[in-house]
Amino acid sequence: DTAVSQTPKYLVTQMGNDKSIKCEQNLGHDTMYWYKQDSKKFLKIMFSYNNKELIINETVPNRFSPKSPDKAHLNLHINSLELGDSAVYFCASSYNRGGTEAFFGQGTRLTVV
Amino acid sequence: AQSVTQLDSQVPVFEEAPVELRCNYSSSVSVYLFWYVQYPNQGLQLLLKYLSGSTLVESINGFEAEFNKSQTSFHLRKPSVHISDTAEYFCAVAGGSQGNLIFGKGTKLSVKP
Repeated sequence: DTAVSQTPKYLVTQMGNDKSIKCEQNLGHDTMYWYKQDSKKFLKIMFSYNNKELIINETVPNRFSPKSPDKAHLNLHINSLELGDSAVYFCASSYNRGGTEAFFGQGTRLTVV
Repeated sequence: AQSVTQLDSQVPVFEEAPVELRCNYSSSVSVYLFWYVQYPNQGLQLLLKYLSGSTLVESINGFEAEFNKSQTSFHLRKPSVHISDTAEYFCAVAGGSQGNLIFGKGTKLSVKP
């Protein structure tokens, strides 16, 4: 069983479209995250969600909206996609906030054309 | 605020040679440190972690890292590398504003025959 799974693995779409990336974890963790990895491999936190508390990173455009139907799922919806949104998006989970390792999904490579 | 510096963006080595990937951190609170590995087109996998106790931590595939509080370092070492160790290596510290991991910019290890 995959611990943290995200779909799709690849996503190619046109500018202006709206798309979603899904993430599920079967580890029973309380905290889930979305990270963005740019073309230089730099990993930057976008959001974290802990027991129904969403923490928003203010540097993330409001075109990005996370949605968590339950503790095991944290989806990422992106409106009005731009060329600069092209990146690899990683979902991750951890037992709780701070002090523990995070488990990562395989990533979603988003290409906006 | 916590931060992580990986001093080398690329490290080329020959197979069976020793390698050290350098990592320095800045933290004003208790320190939890991690090394992750990312193979091409894959997600991040935890390699090893320091939470407390012995300052020398080891992974199952021959890597080790030593927590040095006075030098604020957590360098990763392996006495003899294999071709299969070719990957991107990320050092991380726990304790971001969202309870997330804060990553360094990564070091690309290239092992040549």
